[in-house]
Amino acid sequence: NAGVTQTPKFQVLKTGQSMTLQCAQDMNHNSMYWYRQDPGMGLRLIYYSASEGTTDKGEVPNGYNVSRLNKREFSLRLESAAPSQTSVYFCASSAIYNEQFFGPGTRLTVL
Amino acid sequence: QKEVEQNSGPLSVPEGAIASLNCTYSDRGSQSFFWYRQYSGKSPELIMFIYSNGDKEDGRFTAQLNKASQYVSLLIRDSQPSDSATYLCAVKLTGGGNKLTFGTGTQLKVEL
Repeated sequence: NAGVTQTPKFQVLKTGQSMTLQCAQDMNHNSMYWYRQDPGMGLRLIYYSASEGTTDKGEVPNGYNVSRLNKREFSLRLESAAPSQTSVYFCASSAIYNEQFFGPGTRLTVL
Repeated sequence: QKEVEQNSGPLSVPEGAIASLNCTYSDRGSQSFFWYRQYSGKSPELIMFIYSNGDKEDGRFTAQLNKASQYVSLLIRDSQPSDSATYLCAVKLTGGGNKLTFGTGTQLKVEL
């Protein structure tokens, strides 16, 4: 099993450009999450999906949109990137006891 | 007051010693507690989780939960240089559904 996979691993954008971060899990988990991690700020939840067909805002949703494409895939879209969105983005999925498993992350720089 | 608090460290311990990492939380009704290890430049990886008051052991790791005092600890016995990482505490808060709230982490350095 690959666990949680994310693409791309690295990305550089110019202000105003758009992009979609892809996430997939092969563990048959119902819930999936998108976090950003900034120095000194810890992991902050952007959006989550408790189950296929549902999405909800987390702590820092502004500037982002998500799509739960099916049970396996959960994508994060930046419609108009801003320098404040420079961060490391992690996708995660959770198992029966709510323990979360993380993907390898995407390092995004917005110039 | 933050919902989940950790001392940022760094916590330095000599090789072979016991490292003790602490986490406090504000929601008295919290039921589930998780410890993650994160190496620099890598993603968080689950070490263990605990639900009940008391100790839970897994190899060199022991999680300790005290709900009355609202803290959870992680002990690492026989610390090794490879244990040098940031340790994140996460709590499933009351009414939070499946979401976890993470502390900002404690950096551990195990010195030779």
